[in-house]
Amino acid sequence: KQEVTQIPAALSVPEGENLVLNCSFTDSAIYNLQWFRQDPGKGLTSLLLIQSSQREQTSGRLNASLDKSSGRSTLYIAASQPGDSATYLCAVISGSARQLTFGSGTQLTVLP
Amino acid sequence: NAGVTQTPKFQVLKTGQSMTLQCAQDMNHEYMSWYRQDPGMGLRLIHYSVGAGITDQGEVPNGYNVSRSTTEDFPLRLLSAAPSQTSVYFCASSYSISSDTQYFGPGTRLTVL
Repeated sequence: KQEVTQIPAALSVPEGENLVLNCSFTDSAIYNLQWFRQDPGKGLTSLLLIQSSQREQTSGRLNASLDKSSGRSTLYIAASQPGDSATYLCAVISGSARQLTFGSGTQLTVLP
Repeated sequence: NAGVTQTPKFQVLKTGQSMTLQCAQDMNHEYMSWYRQDPGMGLRLIHYSVGAGITDQGEVPNGYNVSRSTTEDFPLRLLSAAPSQTSVYFCASSYSISSDTQYFGPGTRLTVL
């Protein structure tokens, strides 16, 4: 059974700092990996999608990398802003049923 | 496009009552799914559908029914509500499951007393 772990569970940084969020998964036979953002009381917003054949994806100040063989992904946020404060979720598609398995998330607070 | 819409936003039920959570998407997506989100448990897949007329169970299907009569709609039915079904429910859709971005609705917060 696929398991996804995100470390740390919570992170607090001053504005302007660069930061890295970590995601690991137990079964490397994935179809893709997605990073989502969730604001309190809201739904999930997709940030980046990395196909299994790709190594990284970039969108603005966000860069996500994927190392399938080691079962790891990182989300790099450059020059963090208070508006980046949210919970960041990592999810992978795997298995014969191609189910999406989520990590528990990292709650990020960017202090002004 | 409205994207993925869910109704109602909030609902309070008594134990034993039944209800249907509505989900609709206007992006012509084939794949739709339902998740529940609980503190400390993350999001867990309840049921999913790969197209009209085709549904299957996810990780936590007990106590829930689904049907998919059209591409646009994917309702989730609670047959006899229990306090353990108190949760936030999210509907999601994508063009295909294995290669495309998942789009999520805003969620329904359900409390079962």
